[in-house]
Amino acid sequence: DQQVKQNSPSLSVQEGRISILNCDYTNSMFDYFLWYKKYPAEGPTFLISISSIKDKNEDGRFTVFLNKSAKHLSLHIVPSQPGDSAVYFCAASGRRENAGNNRKLIWGLGTSLAVNP
Amino acid sequence: NAGVTQTPKFRILKIGQSMTLQCTQDMNHNYMYWYRQDPGMGLKLIYYSVGAGITDKGEVPNGYNVSRSTTEDFPLRLELAAPSQTSVYFCASRVGGRESQPQHFGDGTRLSIL
Repeated sequence: DQQVKQNSPSLSVQEGRISILNCDYTNSMFDYFLWYKKYPAEGPTFLISISSIKDKNEDGRFTVFLNKSAKHLSLHIVPSQPGDSAVYFCAASGRRENAGNNRKLIWGLGTSLAVNP
Repeated sequence: NAGVTQTPKFRILKIGQSMTLQCTQDMNHNYMYWYRQDPGMGLKLIYYSVGAGITDKGEVPNGYNVSRSTTEDFPLRLELAAPSQTSVYFCASRVGGRESQPQHFGDGTRLSIL
């Protein structure tokens, strides 16, 4: 049962254009969402996050939008650059996943983004 | 600042062998995690620790053991390696358990069981 779904395994965009990566979730108890980026042979690195009390969070070229009613979030990268080519993981945490003070993350399968020069 | 360091980067084991994957962090983080990532899949939590001397099971703990004798180190032990344990293993840490505190990952250990 995949609680965090990234339905597009891959995405290809032209340099300078917008990249939109999508993520859907099924667990209504999730209240915090994170995006991580992963290059080959490296560990994931944190990119941007959003709390369920917000519907948008922006950090430079990266913006995450959250639609709670649709249980959907998206990551927008504008403008896209070749260095953005990586696998992007969506992850979620919520009170149901809480164990003591630790909030465990539930991860999507990732979307591989290729930004072409 | 080294962050999270994992050793070895690659290893091939025979079925039934055992080994320890090492993880150390120099950020004085209390929380540490072990994940595995199978091809085409997301990360699955194996074990985690909220501080020295405290560990707990994640989603897929069978076949693994951990210990946390110091804040810095969080080794993962495989006993009686099986082909199903072929995966990439990631160690992560974060300063606390709050959702706003992102996890910092090592570069992974690629393990093959033949």
